[in-house]
Amino acid sequence: EAGVAQSPRYKIIEKRQSVAFWCNPISGHATLYWYQQILGQGPKLLIQFQNNGVVDDSQLPKDRFSAERLKGVDSTLKIQPAKLEDSAVYLCASSLDRRTRVLPDTQYFGPGTRLTVL
Amino acid sequence: AQKVTQAQTEISVVEKEDVTLDCVYETRDTTYYLFWYKQPPSGELVFLIRRNSFDEQNEISGRYSWNFQKSTSSFNFTITASQVVDSAVYFCALDMASYNQGGKLIFGQGTELSVKP
Repeated sequence: EAGVAQSPRYKIIEKRQSVAFWCNPISGHATLYWYQQILGQGPKLLIQFQNNGVVDDSQLPKDRFSAERLKGVDSTLKIQPAKLEDSAVYLCASSLDRRTRVLPDTQYFGPGTRLTVL
Repeated sequence: AQKVTQAQTEISVVEKEDVTLDCVYETRDTTYYLFWYKQPPSGELVFLIRRNSFDEQNEISGRYSWNFQKSTSSFNFTITASQVVDSAVYFCALDMASYNQGGKLIFGQGTELSVKP
């Protein structure tokens, strides 16, 4: 079974430029997550989708970050304009439909996109 | 508030040594899940184990074992006879069972394990 796919793997941009990351979750996984991992820290949730609806975006800096999952499968995370502090690894994860579970399902992660903002 | 603490930032051992990675968590909920993930230099988070709050049985999988103690809010991870391939950053994480919590994984800061030949 294919895992979570992400692209690109690496991206270098200058501050104030825009960038987009793409994620394709595991087939059949209704729940999709975007995490930001700053060097030396654990991942922090940015946004969670249930199919194509947003469940939790409380930690997403909405003035510059946006995300969508239009058809309930692939997702795109965008940063516009980028700041130096956005340099991090952006991880996408997916899990089975959380709403049908009493206890949380395991989240499976993609390889991440390493963003460097100069 | 929920929190996960991994007090050991870095650990260095020589191959074949046993090593224990500590994890302490805080939550007021009675139902929750705990996880361990491995992050090798390639960057992908690899799932290792999931344990729910009702099951305090220790678990062994090959050279890996986990000790869950609710009385001390700890979920420690031991690697027996460590190998160079075990070198990675290891994360402990907490997930709340309530859907209203939004499925947020709360990660610790990670412990970087270096196994030298």
